[in-house]
Amino acid sequence: DVVMTQSPLSLPVTLGQSASISCRSSQGLVHSDGNTYLSWFQQRPGQSPRRLIYRVSNRDSGVPDRFSGSGSGTAFTLKISRVEAEDVGVYYCMQGSHWPRTFGQGTRVEIK
Amino acid sequence: QVQLQESGPGLVKPSETLSLTCTVSGYSISSGYQWDWIRQPPGKGLEWIGTIHHSGRTYSNPSLRSRVTISVDTSKNQFSLKVNSVTAADTAVYYCARGADADYWGQGTLVIVSS
Repeated sequence: DVVMTQSPLSLPVTLGQSASISCRSSQGLVHSDGNTYLSWFQQRPGQSPRRLIYRVSNRDSGVPDRFSGSGSGTAFTLKISRVEAEDVGVYYCMQGSHWPRTFGQGTRVEIK
Repeated sequence: QVQLQESGPGLVKPSETLSLTCTVSGYSISSGYQWDWIRQPPGKGLEWIGTIHHSGRTYSNPSLRSRVTISVDTSKNQFSLKVNSVTAADTAVYYCARGADADYWGQGTLVIVSS
């Protein structure tokens, strides 16, 4: 299985400051079709996961441009610029390039 | 707008079979994509269970494969999950989602395994 390792697991952030979450995969995530199926999800308390970023760096419709994704190979990053109170929750990366699909452990973002 | 909705019993006895259905609206399963089941034990992270293509081809997580069956009913635009021989460790919120990019998710349904 492809192991997805997120860091940090807990991220206290000051309102208005930026935050970065790292996601490293145990092998490259380029699918045989040429796409890299690396997505980022936000899960607010009591809610189902919501996709923010797909295929490394594509932002979903309705997602604030404060959220951005980057990376390649085995190293990927989700950046939140100017953190707002509504950004509190747990963030997961997921790879869909290899079977079985796998998730990172989750990173809990909280406001200091 | 694509919507997914899980349904099924919220309580299952140990050693019995958990059965859930995901009803898709706003998109025909027959048109493509893979359709996934994902679960989340209380207070824990996400675990991918398995997927089915509209053709019926499936792939399940090796950690669960011997107990998992995923099927599709394109006439009802639904796909289903069965997990047999359940234990307390199968207690979780079960989600259905679409595709390798997981762009659409259901709201999830809590299944408790308890006698």
